[in-house]
Amino acid sequence: GAVVSQHPSWVICKSGTSVKIECRSLDFQATTMFWYRQFPKQSLMLMATSNEGSKATYEQGVEKDKFLINHASLTLSTLTVTSAHPEDSSFYICSAPVGGPLAGGPSETQYFGPGTRLLVL
Amino acid sequence: GQNIDQPTEMTATEGAIVQINCTYQTSGFNGLFWYQQHAGEAPTFLSYNVLDGLEEKGRFSSFLSRSKGYSYLLLKELQMKDSASYLCAFMDSNYQLIWGAGTKLIIKP
Repeated sequence: GAVVSQHPSWVICKSGTSVKIECRSLDFQATTMFWYRQFPKQSLMLMATSNEGSKATYEQGVEKDKFLINHASLTLSTLTVTSAHPEDSSFYICSAPVGGPLAGGPSETQYFGPGTRLLVL
Repeated sequence: GQNIDQPTEMTATEGAIVQINCTYQTSGFNGLFWYQQHAGEAPTFLSYNVLDGLEEKGRFSSFLSRSKGYSYLLLKELQMKDSASYLCAFMDSNYQLIWGAGTKLIIKP
């Protein structure tokens, strides 16, 4: 299957600092990528849809100025958590669709990166 | 509106069969997915159903009934490594994935 990588896998930072997380599609191009957050024992929560060459689409309740998304190329999307606080500590996961309507195919599969665990002290 | 529901937790015995159900409501539907997620890891794709019926893939099978808004994931010959959370999600008319909360499957020897 398709491979999506994320870097870093672990981040520990002080409150008030900014953290950048990278999501890369390694063997396919992705005009769209998705960013999720998952708190312990909870389901995935879609934060935003990253669109190559245009602005990201944020879900209701997600602060655009706090979670900056850049999709500068067909294989890379970045999520920057600005001025991180302890409540931002979570598991951040990106995914990219392969096939399906978003990529011109009949069916779609979301391939997930391995996730980035963020701990803000 | 849209909603999706699956049991919170299930327990089964090694070597047995378990069926995890998922029900959903939506006006627009572009398929239903099942993912497996081990603790501390990202989800991995298991199956995709867009037409009614059963799709078999090794020890795992997935069933869909669009008229009933119902799907199930069937796991046969359970192994200890199958202990994980199983997430169902449907794709709506905007091609967004709507996720269930996940079913934690506990396998006992």
